[in-house]
Amino acid sequence: SYDLTQPPSVSVSPGQTASITCSGDKLGDKYACWYQQKPGQSPVLVIYEDSKRPSGIPERFSGSNSGNTATLTISGTQAVDEADYYCQAWVSGTAIFGGGTKLTVL
Amino acid sequence: EVQLVESGGGLVQPGGSLRLSCAASGFTFTTYWMSWVRQTPGKGLQWVANIQQEGSEKYYVDFVKGRFTISRDNAKSSVSLQMNSLRADDTALYYCVRGGLYGGNPGDYWGQGTLITVSS
Repeated sequence: SYDLTQPPSVSVSPGQTASITCSGDKLGDKYACWYQQKPGQSPVLVIYEDSKRPSGIPERFSGSNSGNTATLTISGTQAVDEADYYCQAWVSGTAIFGGGTKLTVL
Repeated sequence: EVQLVESGGGLVQPGGSLRLSCAASGFTFTTYWMSWVRQTPGKGLQWVANIQQEGSEKYYVDFVKGRFTISRDNAKSSVSLQMNSLRADDTALYYCVRGGLYGGNPGDYWGQGTLITVSS
């Protein structure tokens, strides 16, 4: 089976850049997207097709995907960005989610 | 405004059945794939199934194949998930999602979810 691996947690200071990785075999050959989920809320799409931002998502969110790793980057991280982040890709007829990364803004 | 409102959740015994529904509004329903995604309490996201605009293509995650059936009623802008032979590990919050979760078809809107508890 195919797995997407994320670090369980990432910490960042306010105003700094946070990077969350998502690793999977030849992930760069597939489209990756990222979802943000705050406690008690439904997930929100923040990046799709590796690097595109839906309308309403701040420019500080960006994404890349190459080789075996997709990366979500949050520049100038704010306290409101503290949340769980999930990567997702479509692999052989199945949508696969990463295990999620808890982003803490210290 | 896009809205996805799930219903049909509740407590069911192991081996029982339940039908979830999702009422969609605020967009042209017939132009979108729709999906169901679940989340166990305190855990991550797990895709369950999706369905193409006309209902002719459907995909399921392996552990629900043969037990769950996704369908849609374009006249009513709704998507359903018939869940049979429910097991304890099907206990989760089930989200209705706009999009197929593949390629350039991400899940761009999510409902609030409906909770399924499978327990005797």
